[in-house]
Amino acid sequence: QKEVEQNSGPLSVPEGAIASLNCTYSDRGSQSFFWYRQYSGKSPELIMFIYSNGDKEDGRFTAQLNKASQYVSLLIRDSQPSDSATYLCAVNPGNTPLVFGKGTRLSVIA
Amino acid sequence: DVKVTQSSRYLVKRTGEKVFLECVQDMDHENMFWYRQDPGLGLRLIYFSYDVKMKEKGDIPEGYSVSREKKERFSLILESASTNQTSMYLCASLSGGGLQPQHFGDGTRLSIL
Repeated sequence: QKEVEQNSGPLSVPEGAIASLNCTYSDRGSQSFFWYRQYSGKSPELIMFIYSNGDKEDGRFTAQLNKASQYVSLLIRDSQPSDSATYLCAVNPGNTPLVFGKGTRLSVIA
Repeated sequence: DVKVTQSSRYLVKRTGEKVFLECVQDMDHENMFWYRQDPGLGLRLIYFSYDVKMKEKGDIPEGYSVSREKKERFSLILESASTNQTSMYLCASLSGGGLQPQHFGDGTRLSIL
């Protein structure tokens, strides 16, 4: 069974702080890794993807991948109340549908 | 930009009715997916399709069927709706192989009374 694990939260951070969201996956052959943001009552929206070990930065967001540890993370710098949402980690283990974690709920306190 | 369009944002149906949820994508994607999402359970895959007239069962196919007669359209069918099928239904599409992200539609919140 291919699994993606996330802490359900809620993760509470003060406005302006760095939010760190973590994800582990079970299939060592996984090739691509995605972070989606989902506001309450809305559909998931892609915010980052990463394929190679290391860091990938896009604005206030940084995705980090460590394939040896089977670990993906998302850092949100200068967190804003508008970042409050559920963040879904998704992994593609090969030529199959994405495997999603259940999500981490982030709350940014003004 | 990829556009995945679901036919209804909100739908209310009665127990025993046959329900059709429609999804259309405009990017010529080979792969399309239907999920349901419930509080605490995350996204659960119902069915997916890699090509026209082709379908594969996901994790929770019971009580559902699908149809893909054209590449751009993937329909989810609740043969005889039951109250435990009240949920948010999400359609997604994906191009090509494993390096591409899935793109989601806006979702349909379905209530079965």
